[in-house]
Amino acid sequence: DAGITQSPRHKVTETGTPVTLRCHQTENHRYMYWYRQDPGHGLRLIHYSYGVKDTDKGEVSDGYSVSRSKTEDFLLTLESATSSQTSVYFCAISESMGEVDTQYFGPGTRLTVL
Amino acid sequence: GENVEQHPSTLSVQEGDSAVIKCTYSDSASNYFPWYKQELGKRPQLIIDIRSNVGEKKDQRIAVTLNKTAKHFSLHITETQPEDSAVYFCAALGTYKYIFGTGTRLKVLA
Repeated sequence: DAGITQSPRHKVTETGTPVTLRCHQTENHRYMYWYRQDPGHGLRLIHYSYGVKDTDKGEVSDGYSVSRSKTEDFLLTLESATSSQTSVYFCAISESMGEVDTQYFGPGTRLTVL
Repeated sequence: GENVEQHPSTLSVQEGDSAVIKCTYSDSASNYFPWYKQELGKRPQLIIDIRSNVGEKKDQRIAVTLNKTAKHFSLHITETQPEDSAVYFCAALGTYKYIFGTGTRLKVLA
């Protein structure tokens, strides 16, 4: 499982409240990613990080922010949650394997915004 | 922008038959193509991958083929078993980022 954990695993919140999801890794991987998974859309990249304090936007970044102050932690924040952000959120890491950059996923967080 | 198209979205096969899932990518700089299997309520798990300098790779009942000229790659599962039932995702790696297909739900009928 590449030492990836996510917290919380399940969360129910109300529209307009802030939410922070945490991804923690124990193996010092450089690259970390946040995806959301919705039926019919597969996995869509929200934000990614290529080092401490180095982050960039993915294809569905509106309404989300991220922070990475330590190598092991990558936080995803919904400043004001909306019902459209109800989804399953997966964190992922990349391991360097020569020129191949294999990606592994965390267990996921199911977020429901009422 | 960069895109990966995956077909079919659903696929039903009889146990013992073969299954083929196809993906097309748009970024000609992509050089690595993994396939993931996701069971209900679980995380996507890497099952096989292929690099751009290889045309085919096999691992027991699973194989992946790559046609860089046509920007196509495919997953082949032979002698399907009920435990192969899952959602399968293809992906293409560009600079730092993976682009995923929308998934294929495979049902293996006993």
